[in-house]
Amino acid sequence: NAGVTQTPKFQVLKTGQSMTLQCAQDMNHEYMSWYRQDPGMGLRLIHYSVGAGITDQGEVPNGYNVSRSTTEDFPLRLLSAAPSQTSVYFCASSSRDLYNEQFFGPGTRLTVL
Amino acid sequence: KNEVEQSPQNLTAQEGEFITINCSYSVGISALHWLQQHPGGGIVSLFMLSSGKKKHGRLIATINIQEKHSSLHITASHPRDSAVYICAFYGGATNKLIFGTGTLLAVQP
Repeated sequence: NAGVTQTPKFQVLKTGQSMTLQCAQDMNHEYMSWYRQDPGMGLRLIHYSVGAGITDQGEVPNGYNVSRSTTEDFPLRLLSAAPSQTSVYFCASSSRDLYNEQFFGPGTRLTVL
Repeated sequence: KNEVEQSPQNLTAQEGEFITINCSYSVGISALHWLQQHPGGGIVSLFMLSSGKKKHGRLIATINIQEKHSSLHITASHPRDSAVYICAFYGGATNKLIFGTGTLLAVQP
């Protein structure tokens, strides 16, 4: 199993550009989440999904959209990138519910100029 | 007020030392995770516990629900243990994971 995969690993954007961060898992996990990690702060939840077709907002959802058309994929879209979105982004998945072990992707380091 | 506090923020130890990292939280919780993030950035789940104590190799995690406190212990530390250790928990009103800011551990040979 590949586990949780994320692409790209690195990305540089200009302010106002849009892009999609990809996340996929092959463990048939129902729960998937997107987090951002900034220096001096804990991981913060952006959006999460409890199953295909169901998404909800986390702590810092503004400027991001998600969709969950399949169990495997959970892309994160930046609609109009801003320098404040410079961060490292992690996707995570878990089975059944959030109380189970979380599996994290390798992360995407995004810089917005 | 932060819902979760980790201490220390930074820790340098000599190889072989016994290490303790602490996590205190201010809300009622149902489960707590300990995670490890290596310098390369990847995050790995070490433990999830809701009571008592768990052991895996040289790592031991304990939790005291009444005192709202958890500890991660590393016995016979090794340079490969150098990483950021993060506690995270479910609880409060949202039932979403809340993460501490992490403890940066450096184990010197």
